[in-house]
Amino acid sequence: GEDVEQSLFLSVREGDSSVINCTYTDSSSTYLYWYKQEPGAGLQLLTYIFSNMDMKQDQRLTVLLNKKDKHLSLRIADTQTGDSAIYFCAERGDTNAGKSTFGDGTTLTVKP
Amino acid sequence: GAVVSQHPSRVICKSGTSVKIECRSLDFQATTMFWYRQFPKKSLMLMATSNEGSKATYEQGVEKDKFLINHASLTLSTLTVTSAHPEDSSFYICSATRTSGDKGQFFGPGTRLTVL
Repeated sequence: GEDVEQSLFLSVREGDSSVINCTYTDSSSTYLYWYKQEPGAGLQLLTYIFSNMDMKQDQRLTVLLNKKDKHLSLRIADTQTGDSAIYFCAERGDTNAGKSTFGDGTTLTVKP
Repeated sequence: GAVVSQHPSRVICKSGTSVKIECRSLDFQATTMFWYRQFPKKSLMLMATSNEGSKATYEQGVEKDKFLINHASLTLSTLTVTSAHPEDSSFYICSATRTSGDKGQFFGPGTRLTVL
C-alpha cells in the first residue's frame, strides 16, 4: 500500500529557516498536504500542492515537490517559537476520495 | 470556514462503560468523515471512513462492534467506544472533507479518552 515517510525530529534556532522533508511511494498521488499539530490539539491544514505543480509559496511557507523522486518539502522562513509543533505530510490519490495517507510526523523544536 | 468540532474534548470513564464522541462540521457539509486514533508516539491511525447515509468502512484490524460509527447527517458523525477498556485510552481525532473543492481534510480538535 501507500507509504509516507518523514524524519522524526528537527531542531532550529529562532530566525533560521526550517526544512521538513517527506517521501512517498504512491506514484498516483494527486494531492499532497502539510498539516500542523500543536500540543493537545487536532491537525491544522497548513498548505497543499497539486501533483502537477513544482512549488507553492504562501507567506513564510514554501512547498517544493519533486514528483520524479516522490519528494516533498516544507520550508518555513524566519522560524518562530510559535512554529514549534508536529508537522505531518500526507498524500491522496484519485481513488478513495478524501482518504489520505499520513506520515508519522516531524517534531519541530525552535530554540530562542 | 471549514471548522470541525468534537465533543467532548476530554472524557474519563470506568472500564466496561460506553463512550460517545461527536464530530460536527460547523460551516460546511461533509459527505465523508474520518476517525483516527493517535498513539502516544504521535502516529495517526485511520480507524474508519464514515459516509453519510451508509455504513462506515473500517480499516483492517479495527473492530466494528467495538467502535460503532454513525453518520446520520451531512454535518454529524459519532464514534461510540463500547465496553471501553484501559487499552482504548487514546486521543481520538475526526476529520471531514468538503463536498466541493479539494483542500484536504479538516480536523477536529480531538477527544482525549481515559479509561480507568
